[in-house]
Amino acid sequence: AQSVTQLDSQVPVFEEAPVELRCNYSSSVSVYLFWYVQYPNQGLQLLLKYLSGSTLVKGINGFEAEFNKSQTSFHLRKPSVHISDTAEYFCAVQGSNYKLTFGKGTLLTVNP
Amino acid sequence: GAGVSQSPSNKVTEKGKDVELRCDPISGHTALYWYRQSLGQGLEFLIYFQGNSAPDKSGLPSDRFSAERTGGSVSTLTIQRTQQEDSAVYLCASSLGGPSGGYTFGSGTRLTVV
Repeated sequence: AQSVTQLDSQVPVFEEAPVELRCNYSSSVSVYLFWYVQYPNQGLQLLLKYLSGSTLVKGINGFEAEFNKSQTSFHLRKPSVHISDTAEYFCAVQGSNYKLTFGKGTLLTVNP
Repeated sequence: GAGVSQSPSNKVTEKGKDVELRCDPISGHTALYWYRQSLGQGLEFLIYFQGNSAPDKSGLPSDRFSAERTGGSVSTLTIQRTQQEDSAVYLCASSLGGPSGGYTFGSGTRLTVV
């Protein structure tokens, strides 16, 4: 079984500041890792994914994440955020059974 | 279709009534998932269909919940004798069945039990 911990439930930042949303996972098997974003009253949209290969993964909207196997982390970063990045962000892990296990989410609020 | 379609988008029902939620996945996607999203609870896995295999029902919270997928396409999630704690957003997702593509989610059905 796998689990995901998103260390911050809320992250407020100012526009154009950098941001890091933290995610740690636990699993007894190799996993695939994902970040999803949910804008208000919408479904989840895939931001980026790590399947194998380079540990630095680039996604949409300028986001990137780094897979760190020794620390079992997959933190999401953006060097400069915009007001439009305000949303809830979910980290997820997928094992061999293809079931996605989600963290509880981090609400990113970008203030002017 | 172009995306995963869920209906209705909103449903208000009286406690004790049965409800049916519908999901129309992306054409050609063999895997279909139902999740429940409640305030403060994140996303909770409910059930997973993959092709003609027996579904993984391990996430269904009680025997009041059931789901079927007809013809490998449209899925219906049924909640019998609804309770107030069933109030949540029910999200459906589909995928090609492997991890490489990730899931595509619908916009969800917001269920309110009064």
